[in-house]
Amino acid sequence: DIQMTQSPSTLSASVGDRVTITCRASQSISSWLAWYQQKPGKAPKLLIYKASSLESGVPSRFSGSGSGTEFTLTITNLQPDDFATYYCQQYNNYWTFGQGTKVEIK
Amino acid sequence: QVQLQESGPGLVKPSGTLSLTCAVSGGSISSNSWWTWVRQPPGKGLEWIGEISHSGVTNYNPSLKSRVTISGDKSQNEFSLKLSSVTAADTAVYYCASRSVGAPPGTSGFSWGQGSLVTVSS
Repeated sequence: DIQMTQSPSTLSASVGDRVTITCRASQSISSWLAWYQQKPGKAPKLLIYKASSLESGVPSRFSGSGSGTEFTLTITNLQPDDFATYYCQQYNNYWTFGQGTKVEIK
Repeated sequence: QVQLQESGPGLVKPSGTLSLTCAVSGGSISSNSWWTWVRQPPGKGLEWIGEISHSGVTNYNPSLKSRVTISGDKSQNEFSLKLSSVTAADTAVYYCASRSVGAPPGTSGFSWGQGSLVTVSS
């Protein structure tokens, strides 16, 4: 099984900040990685697929990078709507999710 | 992207069987896709339950494999989840999702349903 380790688990930030979330895979997953945003009571919303491709309709302040085992999600100019929980997901071999990162207001 | 909608009982008794159906619209379950179930216990993270391919191949999470069955119904264009011998630990929001293997360039091929809360309680 492929394990996904996401860090940090919680992140405190202010509007306008640049934030970075990291996800590490237990073995190479090439670029088969997605990032999701989830708000309470809602389904996960896809932000990034194939490690760095922006899903249609997602603001360009979201970006993803990495390949192999190390990946990052970066949010530049953090907006009030961005305070949420973020998950990484590998889909190289079935699906596995990271533990989640809660982005809180500082 | 296809649209997905979960349906099924919101309350299941302990030791019973949880059954959910995912209706697919805007596409066919016969298309080259994987049809997937994911769950999320209250306040916790996302867990992959298993998947079925357009040709009926199934894969399950090893931690749930002995209790899970995923099946597809091409005539109804839907797929289903059955989880047996449930306990309170199976209380969760259950999502159906899919990924198109042959998604056109510039599209992710991912779709998710809105989720269905299932509570296991007597």
